[in-house]
Amino acid sequence: SAVISQKPSRDICQRGTSLTIQCQVDSQVTMMFWYRQQPGQSLTLIATANQGSEATYESGFVIDKFPISRPNLTFSTLTVSNMSPEDSSIYLCSVEGTSKGLEQYFGPGTRLTVT
Amino acid sequence: KQEVTQIPAALSVPEGENLVLNCSFTDSAIYNLQWFRQDPGKGLTSLLLIQSSQREQTSGRLNASLDKSSGRSTLYIAASQPGDSATYLCAVRHPRSGNTPLVFGKGTRLSVIA
Repeated sequence: SAVISQKPSRDICQRGTSLTIQCQVDSQVTMMFWYRQQPGQSLTLIATANQGSEATYESGFVIDKFPISRPNLTFSTLTVSNMSPEDSSIYLCSVEGTSKGLEQYFGPGTRLTVT
Repeated sequence: KQEVTQIPAALSVPEGENLVLNCSFTDSAIYNLQWFRQDPGKGLTSLLLIQSSQREQTSGRLNASLDKSSGRSTLYIAASQPGDSATYLCAVRHPRSGNTPLVFGKGTRLSVIA
């Protein structure tokens, strides 16, 4: 299994500002994933971050709004830029296990409220 | 496009009851299926992972079954406890060809009443 930590655990931000969320994993992983969970909704993948290359964004998400860094095999950041109240969500970092089964593990999430 | 549906959306049961949560998916060509638990405002905890070649997996009081051909999975919880109260999410993954992200259902919100 993988142990994932995220910072901050929650934040309240004003519209127009930006927030950077950090994700740290206790083992080296090739891919790290960033998900969003809007209130009352299920999880939606924002992007996949590979170390040493540009992140791959899902339809509806763009780099200017959600820039991602992946400086090494255990760490990634997601920035939510120019925030609006619609960005209020839980943001979750995730990795795949290294066994053949590809079990997915999630961090504790960052609860973001934009006022 | 794969769609995952979970029924019921919410369920309330008295403590001690056995219960079944349902998950269905539209494209049966999956690589695996995973059940998660999410407590309010928190991240996801992996409960059970079933590979496409498997029929079921068990962990303690939890048993998950998979019928890939019919696009269904169930999560059986035996002798429910108030601590089981949470949202249970089902997610499927397609066979890997490049990156294949999990597709999630909307979850079943379970309340176990003492």
